[in-house]
Amino acid sequence: GAGVSQSPRYKVAKRGQDVALRCDPISGHVSLFWYQQALGQGPEFLTYFQNEAQLDKSGLPSDRFFAERPEGSVSTLKIQRTQQEDSAVYLCASSLAGGGIDGYTFGSGTRLTVV
Amino acid sequence: AQSVAQPEDQVNVAEGNPLTVKCTYSVSGNPYLFWYVQYPNRGLQFLLKYITGDNLVKGSYGFEAEFNKSQTSFHLKKPSALVSDSALYFCAAALLNKFYFGSGTKLNVKP
Repeated sequence: GAGVSQSPRYKVAKRGQDVALRCDPISGHVSLFWYQQALGQGPEFLTYFQNEAQLDKSGLPSDRFFAERPEGSVSTLKIQRTQQEDSAVYLCASSLAGGGIDGYTFGSGTRLTVV
Repeated sequence: AQSVAQPEDQVNVAEGNPLTVKCTYSVSGNPYLFWYVQYPNRGLQFLLKYITGDNLVKGSYGFEAEFNKSQTSFHLKKPSALVSDSALYFCAAALLNKFYFGSGTKLNVKP
């Protein structure tokens, strides 16, 4: 596709529910990143994939957060037993190569609200 | 710890006047520096980046940014603001496949 596509755009989850957020990167983009943007804050790094390999997951806030990219294209961010503090916009970004040399293209995000 | 600071939560400027949005960074090594803009319910849109070379970088929509290594700053500027520039602006430093974002500055351009 022309851009990074994320679905759903909005998700309301009851506390304790599991959610799955999807990211379709730009076709051919090797690198894929997930960021969490809390209200009034800048995005914070969660995890990074190069193809199907998860090279950095240092930003995942707890073991309730899990990300995968099994075929090196679409990625899913899963949050188990959601808590209110998980409420945020989850941004996905992709780039043709690793690193910041060519910058990222960001998706519009998924706004998760945990009630 | 790596960090990027945007000291102003909000900047107000009249249309036609010059604008500056400030950014300083505390990131080890020589990070790449970026500015992104975010409109409501939209993703981050790339404005410009600094990697190396000339300290004045020109980007999209007439924006430019000035890199100052000694002050570890990367301020965003535009000579003449437009009402349509009103949005949320994020400064970021990239190092080792990771972006460090500032907390954002809301730019309000009044007609």
